[in-house]
Amino acid sequence: SQQGEEDPQALSIQEGENATMNCSYKTSINNLQWYRQNSGRGLVHLILIRSNEREKHSGRLRVTLDTSKKSSSLLITASRAADTASYFCATGTPDYGQNFVFGPGTRLSVLP
Amino acid sequence: NAGVTQTPKFQVLKTGQSMTLQCAQDMNHEYMSWYRQDPGMGLRLIHYSVGAGITDQGEVPNGYNVSRSTTEDFPLRLLSAAPSQTSVYFCASRWDRDSNQPQHFGDGTRLSIL
Repeated sequence: SQQGEEDPQALSIQEGENATMNCSYKTSINNLQWYRQNSGRGLVHLILIRSNEREKHSGRLRVTLDTSKKSSSLLITASRAADTASYFCATGTPDYGQNFVFGPGTRLSVLP
Repeated sequence: NAGVTQTPKFQVLKTGQSMTLQCAQDMNHEYMSWYRQDPGMGLRLIHYSVGAGITDQGEVPNGYNVSRSTTEDFPLRLLSAAPSQTSVYFCASRWDRDSNQPQHFGDGTRLSIL
Protein backbone atom coordinates (compact mmCIF):
# COMPACT_ATOMS: atom_id res chain seq x y z
CA SER A 1 0.00 0.00 0.00
CA GLN A 2 0.99 3.62 -0.40
CA GLN A 3 2.32 5.87 2.34
CA GLY A 4 -1.05 7.58 2.58
CA GLU A 5 -4.12 5.54 1.77
CA GLU A 6 -7.70 6.67 2.26
CA ASP A 7 -10.55 4.43 3.26
CA PRO A 8 -13.17 3.90 1.97
CA GLN A 9 -12.45 4.40 -1.72
CA ALA A 10 -16.02 5.62 -2.21
CA LEU A 11 -18.75 6.76 0.16
CA SER A 12 -22.37 7.65 -0.55
CA ILE A 13 -24.57 9.33 2.08
CA GLN A 14 -27.71 11.41 2.36
CA GLU A 15 -27.68 15.13 2.91
CA GLY A 16 -27.56 15.95 6.60
CA GLU A 17 -25.64 12.81 7.55
CA ASN A 18 -22.06 12.80 8.76
CA ALA A 19 -19.25 11.52 6.54
CA THR A 20 -16.09 9.94 7.93
CA MET A 21 -13.01 9.20 5.87
CA ASN A 22 -9.84 7.61 7.13
CA CYS A 23 -6.21 7.86 6.10
CA SER A 24 -3.56 5.34 7.07
CA TYR A 25 0.15 5.81 6.56
CA LYS A 26 3.25 3.72 7.03
CA THR A 27 6.14 5.87 8.23
CA SER A 28 6.46 8.65 10.79
CA ILE A 29 5.19 12.03 9.68
CA ASN A 30 5.81 15.71 10.32
CA ASN A 31 2.27 16.64 9.44
CA LEU A 32 -0.79 15.49 7.56
CA GLN A 33 -3.05 17.57 5.34
CA TRP A 34 -6.50 16.98 3.92
CA TYR A 35 -7.53 18.34 0.52
CA ARG A 36 -10.79 18.41 -1.42
CA GLN A 37 -11.06 18.12 -5.20
CA ASN A 38 -14.24 18.94 -7.05
CA SER A 39 -14.71 17.31 -10.43
CA GLY A 40 -12.50 18.91 -13.05
CA ARG A 41 -10.82 21.27 -10.60
CA GLY A 42 -7.63 21.50 -8.63
CA LEU A 43 -7.16 20.49 -5.01
CA VAL A 44 -8.25 22.82 -2.24
CA HIS A 45 -6.58 22.71 1.16
CA LEU A 46 -8.89 21.91 4.07
CA ILE A 47 -6.87 21.29 7.24
CA LEU A 48 -3.27 20.70 8.29
CA ILE A 49 -2.55 18.78 11.48
CA ARG A 50 0.94 18.48 12.90
CA SER A 51 2.36 15.30 14.36
CA ASN A 52 2.13 16.67 17.91
CA GLU A 53 -1.56 17.55 17.56
CA ARG A 54 -4.46 15.15 18.09
CA GLU A 55 -7.49 17.04 16.83
CA LYS A 56 -8.35 20.13 14.79
CA HIS A 57 -11.60 21.73 13.77
CA SER A 58 -12.57 24.01 10.93
CA GLY A 59 -16.26 24.78 10.54
CA ARG A 60 -18.03 21.47 9.85
CA LEU A 61 -14.71 19.64 9.52
CA ARG A 62 -13.02 17.71 12.29
CA VAL A 63 -9.67 15.99 11.82
CA THR A 64 -8.07 13.60 14.26
CA LEU A 65 -4.59 12.15 14.22
CA ASP A 66 -3.45 9.00 16.02
CA THR A 67 0.30 8.65 15.51
CA SER A 68 0.42 5.37 17.45
CA LYS A 69 -1.94 3.83 14.90
CA LYS A 70 -0.53 5.85 12.02
CA SER A 71 -3.96 7.01 11.02
CA SER A 72 -6.07 10.12 10.61
CA SER A 73 -9.76 10.67 10.11
CA LEU A 74 -11.73 13.47 8.48
CA LEU A 75 -15.28 13.99 9.71
CA ILE A 76 -17.70 16.20 7.79
CA THR A 77 -20.78 16.93 9.87
CA ALA A 78 -24.24 17.74 8.49
CA SER A 79 -23.10 17.07 4.92
CA ARG A 80 -24.45 19.01 1.97
CA ALA A 81 -24.70 18.19 -1.73
CA ALA A 82 -21.90 20.72 -2.27
CA ASP A 83 -19.58 18.46 -0.23
CA THR A 84 -19.65 15.95 -3.10
CA ALA A 85 -15.99 15.68 -4.11
CA SER A 86 -12.87 13.57 -3.76
CA TYR A 87 -10.91 13.93 -0.55
CA PHE A 88 -7.18 13.30 -0.29
CA CYS A 89 -4.78 13.03 2.60
CA ALA A 90 -1.20 14.12 2.09
CA THR A 91 1.61 13.22 4.47
CA GLY A 92 4.77 15.19 5.04
CA THR A 93 7.55 12.94 6.22
CA PRO A 94 11.14 13.46 7.35
CA ASP A 95 12.32 11.20 4.52
CA TYR A 96 10.53 13.26 1.91
CA GLY A 97 11.86 16.63 3.00
CA GLN A 98 9.62 19.50 2.08
CA ASN A 99 7.37 17.40 -0.16
CA PHE A 100 4.18 15.38 0.34
CA VAL A 101 2.87 11.95 -0.52
CA PHE A 102 -0.79 11.87 -1.56
CA GLY A 103 -3.15 8.96 -1.14
CA PRO A 104 -5.50 7.81 -3.92
CA GLY A 105 -8.48 9.57 -2.34
CA THR A 106 -12.02 8.91 -1.17
CA ARG A 107 -14.87 9.76 -3.53
CA LEU A 108 -17.75 11.22 -1.48
CA SER A 109 -21.24 11.51 -2.94
CA VAL A 110 -23.84 13.41 -0.92
CA LEU A 111 -27.32 12.73 -2.20
CA PRO A 112 -30.01 15.44 -1.86
CA ASN B 1 -6.91 36.95 -6.79
CA ALA B 2 -5.67 34.74 -9.63
CA GLY B 3 -3.69 32.32 -7.42
CA VAL B 4 -2.11 29.56 -9.51
CA THR B 5 -2.85 29.71 -13.23
CA GLN B 6 -2.20 26.81 -15.57
CA THR B 7 -2.34 26.87 -19.35
CA PRO B 8 -3.52 25.24 -21.49
CA LYS B 9 -6.49 23.50 -19.84
CA PHE B 10 -6.60 20.75 -22.46
CA GLN B 11 -4.07 19.48 -24.97
CA VAL B 12 -3.81 16.57 -27.37
CA LEU B 13 -0.38 15.59 -28.66
CA LYS B 14 1.00 12.96 -30.93
CA THR B 15 3.70 10.60 -29.71
CA GLY B 16 7.10 12.21 -30.05
CA GLN B 17 5.89 15.80 -29.99
CA SER B 18 7.16 18.22 -27.37
CA MET B 19 5.30 20.87 -25.48
CA THR B 20 5.45 23.13 -22.45
CA LEU B 21 2.82 23.31 -19.75
CA GLN B 22 2.71 26.75 -18.21
CA CYS B 23 2.25 27.57 -14.53
CA ALA B 24 2.22 31.03 -12.99
CA GLN B 25 1.43 32.23 -9.47
CA ASP B 26 0.90 35.75 -8.24
CA MET B 27 1.34 35.13 -4.50
CA ASN B 28 5.14 35.57 -4.39
CA HIS B 29 5.51 31.96 -3.30
CA GLU B 30 9.00 30.53 -3.19
CA TYR B 31 8.02 26.85 -3.43
CA MET B 32 6.39 25.48 -6.59
CA SER B 33 5.78 21.94 -7.74
CA TRP B 34 4.33 19.80 -10.52
CA TYR B 35 2.21 16.68 -9.98
CA ARG B 36 0.50 14.24 -12.26
CA GLN B 37 -2.79 12.61 -11.34
CA ASP B 38 -3.75 9.24 -12.77
CA PRO B 39 -6.94 7.22 -12.04
CA GLY B 40 -6.75 5.22 -8.82
CA MET B 41 -3.49 6.81 -7.78
CA GLY B 42 -2.80 9.85 -5.71
CA LEU B 43 -0.92 12.81 -7.03
CA ARG B 44 2.69 11.99 -7.81
CA LEU B 45 5.40 14.60 -7.61
CA ILE B 46 7.30 15.22 -10.85
CA HIS B 47 9.59 18.17 -10.09
CA TYR B 48 9.72 20.94 -7.54
CA SER B 49 11.49 24.22 -6.90
CA VAL B 50 12.27 26.00 -3.64
CA GLY B 51 13.11 29.29 -5.34
CA ALA B 52 14.18 30.96 -8.56
CA GLY B 53 17.12 29.13 -10.11
CA ILE B 54 16.64 26.00 -7.94
CA THR B 55 14.87 22.86 -9.13
CA ASP B 56 14.92 19.23 -8.07
CA GLN B 57 13.41 15.91 -9.04
CA GLY B 58 10.40 14.33 -7.44
CA GLU B 59 9.07 10.80 -7.59
CA VAL B 60 8.46 10.53 -11.35
CA PRO B 61 10.79 12.98 -13.19
CA ASN B 62 11.69 10.92 -16.27
CA GLY B 63 10.56 12.50 -19.54
CA TYR B 64 10.04 15.95 -18.00
CA ASN B 65 12.19 19.04 -17.62
CA VAL B 66 11.62 22.18 -15.56
CA SER B 67 13.24 25.54 -15.06
CA ARG B 68 12.60 28.40 -12.65
CA SER B 69 13.96 31.67 -14.00
CA THR B 70 11.48 33.82 -12.06
CA THR B 71 9.58 33.46 -8.79
CA GLU B 72 6.26 33.60 -10.64
CA ASP B 73 6.71 31.00 -13.38
CA PHE B 74 7.47 27.28 -13.31
CA PRO B 75 7.00 25.68 -16.75
CA LEU B 76 7.00 21.91 -17.27
CA ARG B 77 8.41 20.59 -20.54
CA LEU B 78 7.64 17.25 -22.15
CA LEU B 79 10.64 16.49 -24.31
CA SER B 80 9.19 13.68 -26.47
CA ALA B 81 5.63 12.83 -25.53
CA ALA B 82 4.71 9.20 -24.87
CA PRO B 83 1.24 7.65 -24.32
CA SER B 84 2.27 6.88 -20.72
CA GLN B 85 2.34 10.62 -20.10
CA THR B 86 -1.39 10.91 -20.71
CA SER B 87 -2.56 12.36 -17.42
CA VAL B 88 -3.87 15.40 -15.61
CA TYR B 89 -1.07 17.71 -14.54
CA PHE B 90 -1.31 20.03 -11.55
CA CYS B 91 0.93 22.86 -10.51
CA ALA B 92 1.01 23.89 -6.85
CA SER B 93 2.72 26.57 -4.81
CA ARG B 94 3.20 27.58 -1.21
CA TRP B 95 5.07 30.28 0.67
CA ASP B 96 8.38 28.47 1.18
CA ARG B 97 10.04 25.10 1.72
CA ASP B 98 8.47 24.65 5.18
CA SER B 99 6.00 21.80 4.71
CA ASN B 100 3.80 22.99 7.60
CA GLN B 101 1.63 25.14 5.36
CA PRO B 102 -1.06 24.59 2.75
CA GLN B 103 -0.37 24.24 -0.95
CA HIS B 104 -2.38 26.16 -3.53
CA PHE B 105 -3.25 24.26 -6.70
CA GLY B 106 -4.09 25.30 -10.22
CA ASP B 107 -7.05 23.75 -12.03
CA GLY B 108 -4.89 21.40 -14.04
CA THR B 109 -3.94 20.63 -17.63
CA ARG B 110 -5.58 17.56 -19.15
CA LEU B 111 -3.09 16.04 -21.56
CA SER B 112 -3.73 13.21 -24.00
CA ILE B 113 -0.93 11.60 -25.98
CA LEU B 114 -2.01 9.66 -29.06
